[in-house]
Amino acid sequence: DSGVTQTPKHLITATGQRVTLRCSPRSGDLSVYWYQQSLDQGLQFLIHYYNGEERAKGNILERFSAQQFPDLHSELNLSSLELGDSALYFCASSVDKPTGDEQFFGPGTRLTVL
Amino acid sequence: AQSVTQPDIHITVSEGASLELRCNYSYGATPYLFWYVQSPGQGLQLLLKYFSGDTLVQGIKGFEAEFKRSQSSFNLRKPSVHWSDAAEYFCAVSNFGNEKLTFGTGTRLTIIP
Repeated sequence: DSGVTQTPKHLITATGQRVTLRCSPRSGDLSVYWYQQSLDQGLQFLIHYYNGEERAKGNILERFSAQQFPDLHSELNLSSLELGDSALYFCASSVDKPTGDEQFFGPGTRLTVL
Repeated sequence: AQSVTQPDIHITVSEGASLELRCNYSYGATPYLFWYVQSPGQGLQLLLKYFSGDTLVQGIKGFEAEFKRSQSSFNLRKPSVHWSDAAEYFCAVSNFGNEKLTFGTGTRLTIIP
């Protein structure tokens, strides 16, 4: 158990819909990262938040957005869903140290768009 | 841009045999390197990491990896695999350890009795 929690574990929805994925980082971790894992794209970085502020963006679609709240949990919002958005979405957290640190991954949310 | 190549998509090894999974990276400065393992239906678990110092790093579950700057490689090794090692293994790189991870495409490891 990494200490990172993600809800829900599974999500099945239809095209055009909007969903929200939730992530709670490990206690004390200020950084939250979102990744998407799909068969055709592999594991791809989406976005990074640090202590409530967006720090870096990867290949995140405009239909996707995220935020990190004062209690440090984060939500990833996916809208106007398409079949190709079906994937495993991971959240990871880390302590933000100048010398760098590892990222701890949650169990993921499996999104199926029908 | 940084990138990671795992040339082996799938490797099959007999239980008790040694294992080496290859990883090559492309990055201008000194990279921060990681190996993660993903069991079916599970999240990613860190096996080991290299930030600096000794180029041979030890990880959990008996794994080790060696950083070779001249070859831009960070290969993962285990002297004797167990059936429970069957999983997908991902090599990853970041440019400061707590920035985004760039992952390789993964190597699926199958263990045969």
